Amino acid sequence: EVQLVESGGGLVQPGGSLRLSCAASGFTFNNYWMTWVRQAPGKGLEWVGNINQDGSEKYYMDSVKGRFTISRDNAKNSLYLQMSSLRAEDTAVYYCARGACDYWGQGTLVTVSS
Amino acid sequence: QTVVTQEPSLTVSPGGTVTLTCASSTGAVTSDYLPSWFQQKPGQAPKALIYSTAYKHSWTPARFSGSLLGGKAALTLSGVQPEDEAEYYCLLRYSGYWVFGGGTKLTVL
Repeated sequence: EVQLVESGGGLVQPGGSLRLSCAASGFTFNNYWMTWVRQAPGKGLEWVGNINQDGSEKYYMDSVKGRFTISRDNAKNSLYLQMSSLRAEDTAVYYCARGACDYWGQGTLVTVSS
Repeated sequence: QTVVTQEPSLTVSPGGTVTLTCASSTGAVTSDYLPSWFQQKPGQAPKALIYSTAYKHSWTPARFSGSLLGGKAALTLSGVQPEDEAEYYCLLRYSGYWVFGGGTKLTVL
């Protein structure tokens, strides 16, 4: 059974940093692109970025370029999202998803507020 | 900035048929955009329904189908059930990035 479990969310002040993790199981992790998606409270889904199988290719939405970094550790079957210079508008539930989002985690809430 | 547009809301009667569409600000949507569709119910993570325009996942009910229609991606629900009431999102692939549509709130009434 494919499982994706996000962790690391919480309350952070504007300008601060946070690292999200996504633990994957039930499939061969290093065979898949992985994706981060976010959803602000009461809003729609927003594609944040993705990473290829060996981490050599990464793509981001414009508003997070230079602030967010996606990485992965295939030995640990884990995906990461390092977020810095956080803004109030980054407040959202962050989901990790496999590939073109066929499987999703349950999400972790990031709140950026003073 | 690329914008993907969906109908904000639609209403359908139980047993009826409804088509949701997904348009791109860059022009006609083709299979190259790998259109996919997702269902999200309140308090839940999204669930994938359709990928690569028309392919269903193993868990996707037969009443859901995907296609291209008039330059847009489309999701058709035939024989709508009360449990189909949800928010539906499309996702399109561009060069190096992907974009979700704004979502369609489907009401079954």
